[in-house]
Amino acid sequence: NAGVTQTPKFRVLKTGQSMTLLCAQDMNHEYMYWYRQDPGMGLRLIHYSVGEGTTAKGEVPDGYNVSRLKKQNFLLGLESAAPSQTSVYFCASSYWTGGPGGELFFGEGSRLTVL
Amino acid sequence: GIQVEQSPPDLILQEGANSTLRCNFSDSVNNLQWFHQNPWGQLINLFYIPSGTKQNGRLSATTVATERYSLLYISSSQTTDSGVYFCAVVKGGKLIFGQGTTLQVKP
Repeated sequence: NAGVTQTPKFRVLKTGQSMTLLCAQDMNHEYMYWYRQDPGMGLRLIHYSVGEGTTAKGEVPDGYNVSRLKKQNFLLGLESAAPSQTSVYFCASSYWTGGPGGELFFGEGSRLTVL
Repeated sequence: GIQVEQSPPDLILQEGANSTLRCNFSDSVNNLQWFHQNPWGQLINLFYIPSGTKQNGRLSATTVATERYSLLYISSSQTTDSGVYFCAVVKGGKLIFGQGTTLQVKP
């Protein structure tokens, strides 16, 4: 039981390049989230999904796209990376959010640097 | 959107001391959780506590939903308690985080 797994763990990009971060969970969770963490800013929600085939915008969605084609996977894409997207990205999942069983489980993070 | 404020932003303790961290939120919420981010960046769920009080070892948490705040108590602190403590609330299906309290426990 791996929990929430993010790949890659580290990546360096040049401005304008594209990349995809993969999040995989093996807990049969319905809800999945992508956050970014910057110094002094806490964790900010980029996009989230409440089930297979659904996605929704969070607090800071600009410059990112997501897809949830399979229940266990949530992909975060950067089409044209910018230095402002240098950050640590965390994926998380939960059964739901409205009651017991709504505990959030996090991946280990992916550190992205855009030069 | 909902505002989540944590205090204090930074806290330094001597090992063995007790502390209280506070989380205020600006609207009613369905769900509140406390997390610990250790110095290696790993985020661990401490409590799911939309209301009431829970205890887990030296840690306990209380949420008073009607007054829109939650408290995290750390007793007999240890150096391994160091890191950042976040509260997060659910509103409209989104889990929104406060900016965290950075705790340093000195030996």
